[in-house]
Amino acid sequence: NAGVTQTPKFQVLKTGQSMTLQCAQDMNHNSMYWYRQDPGMGLRLIYYSASEGTTDKGEVPNGYNVSRLNKREFSLRLESAAPSQTSVYFCASSFDRDTEAFFGQGTRLTVV
Amino acid sequence: RKEVEQDPGPFNVPEGATVAFNCTYSNSASQSFFWYRQDCRKEPKLLMSVYSSGNEDGRFTAQLNRASQYISLLIRDSKLSDSATYLCAVRLVTDKLIFGTGTRLQVFP
Repeated sequence: NAGVTQTPKFQVLKTGQSMTLQCAQDMNHNSMYWYRQDPGMGLRLIYYSASEGTTDKGEVPNGYNVSRLNKREFSLRLESAAPSQTSVYFCASSFDRDTEAFFGQGTRLTVV
Repeated sequence: RKEVEQDPGPFNVPEGATVAFNCTYSNSASQSFFWYRQDCRKEPKLLMSVYSSGNEDGRFTAQLNRASQYISLLIRDSKLSDSATYLCAVRLVTDKLIFGTGTRLQVFP
């Protein structure tokens, strides 16, 4: 029962470096989401994809890009990492608009 | 103003107490509603969906008030194991899924 798998689990980057966070789900879900979570801020939506081939901005999209590679995979790219992007990143997926979202275990990213 | 707002707490309650959390949302085009539980540094997990008529799951009761645009969660007979952060989530018709900042609950013996 893999569910939603995120890689890597931990990452340290230097300011200005780039990286891609990977997310894959094996539940045949249509919708996928990327969030960041900072202390006291709750989960903030970065980007989401309502279906394969579509992506939309969330609450805090600046500094990020996404790709919905296929129905299973939704990646998040930081082109030039900044210390303000230090956070825990969660990927989630759901079957449709009426059903709950399931989360991956998160990626803890530190930008120094 | 955030689209989904919650009192961050913390709510400190003794075992056996009843505690209620509210969550307000600003977009009237909200389609579905959820309560999640998050333990420290772990991923959020669904506690319960919230239906228009209200719903109950054991000690937990969720209600939706569309006219006033809020959802609530009631926990009866609190257990030590209920200590966690409770997040409300609202999905719009566009499929955008927005979370509140979470309410921290601490149950003490």
